[in-house]
Amino acid sequence: DAKTTQPNSMESNEEEPVHLPCNHSTISGTDYIHWYRQLPSQGPEYVIHGLTSNVNNRMASLAIAEDRKSSTLILHRATLRDAAVYYCILRDVTSGGSNYKLTFGKGTLLTVNP
Amino acid sequence: NAGVTQTPKFQVLKTGQSMTLQCAQDMNHEYMSWYRQDPGMGLRLIHYSVGAGITDQGEVPNGYNVSRSTTEDFPLRLLSAAPSQTSVYFCASSYSGLAVTYNEQFFGPGTRLTVL
Repeated sequence: DAKTTQPNSMESNEEEPVHLPCNHSTISGTDYIHWYRQLPSQGPEYVIHGLTSNVNNRMASLAIAEDRKSSTLILHRATLRDAAVYYCILRDVTSGGSNYKLTFGKGTLLTVNP
Repeated sequence: NAGVTQTPKFQVLKTGQSMTLQCAQDMNHEYMSWYRQDPGMGLRLIHYSVGAGITDQGEVPNGYNVSRSTTEDFPLRLLSAAPSQTSVYFCASSYSGLAVTYNEQFFGPGTRLTVL
């Protein structure tokens, strides 16, 4: 499986933008880039995903490098409720069965200061 | 919808005891899975299922059994609990099939298990 590399931790101030980086230099052409986050004492929750183009939803934006070897999750205005561990995950969804698995790394612990 | 529910929320076992962690979803998802999360670590896949009657092993299956007799339920059985199985266990579910390209997975709130 293609691997991802994320910083162990990042800090931000409330109401400021946050850019969470992810490197995935061995990504294959059929790997989607997914982001999940895990709030304290909760299960992970889906944030956003993309393949080649930048993506926006109500939670965040995903900027994908042209060569797809890296991506950045953007929280436009961090709030205290965004403090969580953020996971960048690659998934090949071209075949079924085991390819629905999510392989979690250690993620990035985001601290938001008031 | 209740989403993904897990019971119990907390459990303490003695070494050698057996128990079943329950997981249910009401979203008619084909795919269900179990993960464990140890302190400071990401989640690791234990077992997964792509539909009723079909299960397969994940990354860390030893010491655990699963079965999938219905679409809604996917229980995880600890056969003989060991202190190394102290962890937080998460169940997840999603649609499967190529028509749904992202297969967002929904996670339950977790079961915190301590084995003494």
